[in-house]
Amino acid sequence: DGGITQSPKYLFRKEGQNVTLSCEQNLNHDAMYWYRQDPGQGLRLIYYSQIVNDFQKGDIAEGYSVSREKKESFPLTVTSAQKNPTAFYLCASSIDSQEYSYEQYFGPGTRLTVT
Amino acid sequence: AQSVTQLDSHVSVSEGTPVLLRCNYSSSYSPSLFWYVQHPNKGLQLLLKYTSAATLVKGINGFEAEFKKSETSFHLTKPSAHMSDAAEYFCVVSDRWGGGNKLTFGTGTQLKVEL
Repeated sequence: DGGITQSPKYLFRKEGQNVTLSCEQNLNHDAMYWYRQDPGQGLRLIYYSQIVNDFQKGDIAEGYSVSREKKESFPLTVTSAQKNPTAFYLCASSIDSQEYSYEQYFGPGTRLTVT
Repeated sequence: AQSVTQLDSHVSVSEGTPVLLRCNYSSSYSPSLFWYVQHPNKGLQLLLKYTSAATLVKGINGFEAEFKKSETSFHLTKPSAHMSDAAEYFCVVSDRWGGGNKLTFGTGTQLKVEL
């Protein structure tokens, strides 16, 4: 089955701790993305990567970090510097093209709760 | 800059009656437009996409949307609602930017289907 997996589904952390969310895809997509979803605000882009070993900040990158060492993997670390980390986090991937806007495919999400 | 406005945050219909979810967009270029659906605590699933081919786009589960450039609208419709359609729906616009796909999400419309 081709798709995107995110783990864990639910994650609980104490304030001040860093936490890493996993995202893996077997769709052979070059581009991968991390979004944050809060009630009533739609999805906001945190980081994206168009190719291995390269990534760019999105609209709300402060307090987050990523790596892209393999094409199929794009983990997100929520650091203690992120002021409001409790949210639903979604990973996505797509074909990357200079000429065409391809749709993004989403994983099932990780709900992070920080207390 | 691109933007999306979903005109209703909540829509309630009776099972078997038509569904209309409204979306207006703003884009500097020829946009690609998408509708995604999200069931509670799940990832987003693509319903349909417009990419400058036919203006009437058919998607999965009986949904369709019409691209109207003069009205900058991309409303989602379905002739007859089913209980399983109850979910949150996102209208999304995509511009090419820096070689990547930037998706801008609306704030979502929660669809309730009543017996």
